[in-house]
Amino acid sequence: DIQMTQSPSTLSASVGDRVTITCRASQSISSWLAWYQQKPGRAPKLLIYKASTLESGVPSRFSGSGSGTDFTLTISSLQPDDFATYYCQQYNSYSTFGQGTKVEIK
Amino acid sequence: DVQLVESGGGLVQPGRSLRLSCAASGFSFDDYVMHWVRQAPGKGLEWVSGISSSSGTIVYADSVKGRFTISRDNAKNSLYLQMNSLRAEDTALYYCAKIRTAMITWGAFDIWGQGTMVTVSS
Repeated sequence: DIQMTQSPSTLSASVGDRVTITCRASQSISSWLAWYQQKPGRAPKLLIYKASTLESGVPSRFSGSGSGTDFTLTISSLQPDDFATYYCQQYNSYSTFGQGTKVEIK
Repeated sequence: DVQLVESGGGLVQPGRSLRLSCAASGFSFDDYVMHWVRQAPGKGLEWVSGISSSSGTIVYADSVKGRFTISRDNAKNSLYLQMNSLRAEDTALYYCAKIRTAMITWGAFDIWGQGTMVTVSS
């Protein structure tokens, strides 16, 4: 089974900050990785798929990069609406999610 | 609008069964692989099961294999999850989710339902 490890688990940041979240796969997953945003009481929302492709309607301040085993989600300028929990997901072999990164207000 | 609506959750005793349903609308249901994903209270996301458009390919997470059965009825635009021999650790919010790309088994999930809560407790 492919394991996904996100870091950090919690991130404290201010509006306007540049934020980076890391996701590492236990084996190569090529570019078969997605990122989701989840707010309390809501279903996850797809932000990025195939490691770096922005889903339609997602603000351009979100970007993804990486391939193989190491991936990053970057928010170029954190906005009030971005405080949420973020998950990575591999879909190279079955599907596995990372444990999540909570972005909270500093 | 593209929409998924789950139902069927509730409180059930350990060892009993429950059947979840997911009603799809706004897209060609029979073109897409569908999945179930769950989230225990305060925890992260866990993929549970997936089914191809024709029901020819069915996959399960090890944690539910042999106890859960996924199925679909394309004529009714519906997805199901039959859950047997339920355990306390199955307590979670269960989401149905649509794969973003038609005919692809594994991919990003672009549409999610609101979830239905399953609580396993005596």
